[in-house]
Amino acid sequence: EVQLVESGGGLVQPGGSLRLSCAASGFIVRSNYINWVRQAPGKGLEWVSLIFSDDSTFYADSVKGRFTISRDNSRNTLYLQMNSLRSEDTAVYYCARGYNYGDYWGQGALVTVSS
Amino acid sequence: QSVLTQPPSVSGAPGQRVTISCTGSSSNIGAGYDVHWYQQLPGTAPKLLIYGNNNRPSGVPDRFSGSKSGTSASLAITGLQAEDEADYYCQSYDSSLGGWVFGGGTKLTVL
Repeated sequence: EVQLVESGGGLVQPGGSLRLSCAASGFIVRSNYINWVRQAPGKGLEWVSLIFSDDSTFYADSVKGRFTISRDNSRNTLYLQMNSLRSEDTAVYYCARGYNYGDYWGQGALVTVSS
Repeated sequence: QSVLTQPPSVSGAPGQRVTISCTGSSSNIGAGYDVHWYQQLPGTAPKLLIYGNNNRPSGVPDRFSGSKSGTSASLAITGLQAEDEADYYCQSYDSSLGGWVFGGGTKLTVL
C-alpha cells in the first residue's frame, strides 16, 4: 500500500528554519516524482516544489532561494528544508507523488511562522 | 489570486446534478495541458478524483466525471449525496510558471 507520512512541522519565528520530512512506503522515492504542496489556513492549494527521479528540482517563485527539496534514498524519504521563513509561509504542507498530478498525498504537516 | 478560476461555491439538493467550472489561459489549460480534480473533505488531505481530464481512479464512483474544452474544464457530479459535501480543486500545469497550478477551490454544499 502506498503511503506518505509528513513530519517536522511546528512553530518557528520569522527568519527561522525548519525541515519537513515525508516518509514513503509502498513505492521507491528515487524512481518517482514527488511534490510539496501547501495550504494556508482557510485558503486553497499552492504548489511549492518538485523533485525528479534524476534529482532535477523545481520551485515556485514564492519560495525560490529559500526552500530546498531533497531526498534520502536509503531512508526512502523526501525533505523540504525551509529557510528565511516568513509569516506568509504559514500553512499545512503536503507531499504528493506524481508528475502531472498527485495520485497519493500525505496527511500534511502544519508549519506556523509567528513571533 | 489563483491561476485557475473556479466559482467559490455551488450547491444542490440530494439526487441533483451540479457542475464546477475551471477556467485557465493559454499557458496552462489552453496550451493543451491536462486538467485534474481533487476532493478535500474537511480536515483531510486532498484526494485525486479525476485525472487526465476525464479519467477516474479506482474506487471513485462514476457519478463524478470531467471534461475539458479550450481554456476551460468542468467537473460534473450527478446523483448528489450528503457525503459529496467538500471542497473541490482543479489543477493543471503552467508552462510559464513551471509547475502545478490550482484553482481557488469550490465549496460544494448539499442542501
